[in-house]
Amino acid sequence: DTEVTQTPKHLVMGMTNKKSLKCEQHMGHRAMYWYKQKAKKPPELMFVYSYEKLSINESVPSRFSPECPNSSLLNLHLHALQPEDSALYLCASSQEDSNNEQFFGPGTRLTVL
Amino acid sequence: GEDVEQSLFLSVREGDSSVINCTYTDSSSTYLYWYKQEPGAGLQLLTYIFSNMDMKQDQRLTVLLNKKDKHLSLRIADTQTGDSAIYFCAESMNTGFQKLVFGTGTRLLVSP
Repeated sequence: DTEVTQTPKHLVMGMTNKKSLKCEQHMGHRAMYWYKQKAKKPPELMFVYSYEKLSINESVPSRFSPECPNSSLLNLHLHALQPEDSALYLCASSQEDSNNEQFFGPGTRLTVL
Repeated sequence: GEDVEQSLFLSVREGDSSVINCTYTDSSSTYLYWYKQEPGAGLQLLTYIFSNMDMKQDQRLTVLLNKKDKHLSLRIADTQTGDSAIYFCAESMNTGFQKLVFGTGTRLLVSP
């Protein structure tokens, strides 16, 4: 299994809702990532987990809360989002070595109304 | 912060070669990558080059690296309509943990 899966594919939520994005990989990768990609822009790193511990938080607002329950799963909990948070949220994973070849999932297209 | 720059758009005919250029920022980047993104999809790693190399060839893809000018290019030989996509270069920042910074992206359009 050489893929990263993400659910749901699309999500529409109101500003008062609480929702979660899920990401899964079974490649034995020990680093997992969340990226945000706005339309016509490159992906921007949000969080990095290494060996299930949060390694990098790129000053992301607290309305985004990541969680890594085990080495195969990565969640992103969403609460009180703003319309400007609408974007494609990409998950990626990689081995913990010097060549950071990251494998990306297909993304969740999030719309905040 | 500084952007990793790419030209916005490239249009070629099927069968021609395409060359996508990238100017990166961190001279200490260890690896440089090329990713492809089709509409509504995630990113697919195409190829990468280690910073002590000048060139890498992988089937139809040729990567050239000029460290002095911090310039990276991707040449696609015999471009096909299925190559139409957005192409991102990315550099790995030497921050003590591998972190990718992506270029602004080049939209490649291949016409029959």
